[in-house]
Amino acid sequence: GAGVSQSPRYKVAKRGQDVALRCDPISGHVSLFWYQQALGQGPEFLTYFQNEAQLDKSGLPSDRFFAERPEGSVSTLKIQRTQQEDSAVYLCASSSREAGRRNTIYFGEGSWLTVV
Amino acid sequence: DAKTTQPTSMDCAEGRAANLPCNHSTISGNEYVYWYRQIHSQGPQYIIHGLKNNETNEMASLIITEDRKSSTLILPHATLRDTAVYYCIVSPGNNNAGNMLTFGGGTRLMVKP
Repeated sequence: GAGVSQSPRYKVAKRGQDVALRCDPISGHVSLFWYQQALGQGPEFLTYFQNEAQLDKSGLPSDRFFAERPEGSVSTLKIQRTQQEDSAVYLCASSSREAGRRNTIYFGEGSWLTVV
Repeated sequence: DAKTTQPTSMDCAEGRAANLPCNHSTISGNEYVYWYRQIHSQGPQYIIHGLKNNETNEMASLIITEDRKSSTLILPHATLRDTAVYYCIVSPGNNNAGNMLTFGGGTRLMVKP
């Protein structure tokens, strides 16, 4: 498709289980972002990639959260030993770099994680 | 922390113009005003952005005050499908900084028939 694609769309994990969330950005987009959105709140920044380089991971809440983008396209957000407070929607977004123009960020539909 | 202040919620009659205000009194000279919206169960959707001039596209118009301390997003003819949370964001607008979009609470717009 033409947009940012995320999978799985919904995930229920038992507490302590590891989960992996996948993001396929828009083709050709070099910038990729992960956000976390708790119920009733706005999205909060987690981490940012420019191609395969993770330039900012200041928003990752703990060392249980790990993101990668090894080939500069698809990205995976991994959460180890999930806890109930990890329950949220995880949004992936991408943008292109066009010289001299502002870069619009496009979001995926999100992966809804529920930890029970 | 979000650099914008928006009303928590607003109602609008279907077919009428929806005017959503946003205060950004601490905006810097290189920061743009972005508007996104989030319809229930979907990811945020880009609407429009501007620096100091008013902007218009197929979705909305953005009016920025001369001192740039506030702005208004205008949906000229609101429909039921415009019911969503609308986020006003100020950002430098480049990708050198990872956290280029800092979302606040937004305005929950309810379009009523």
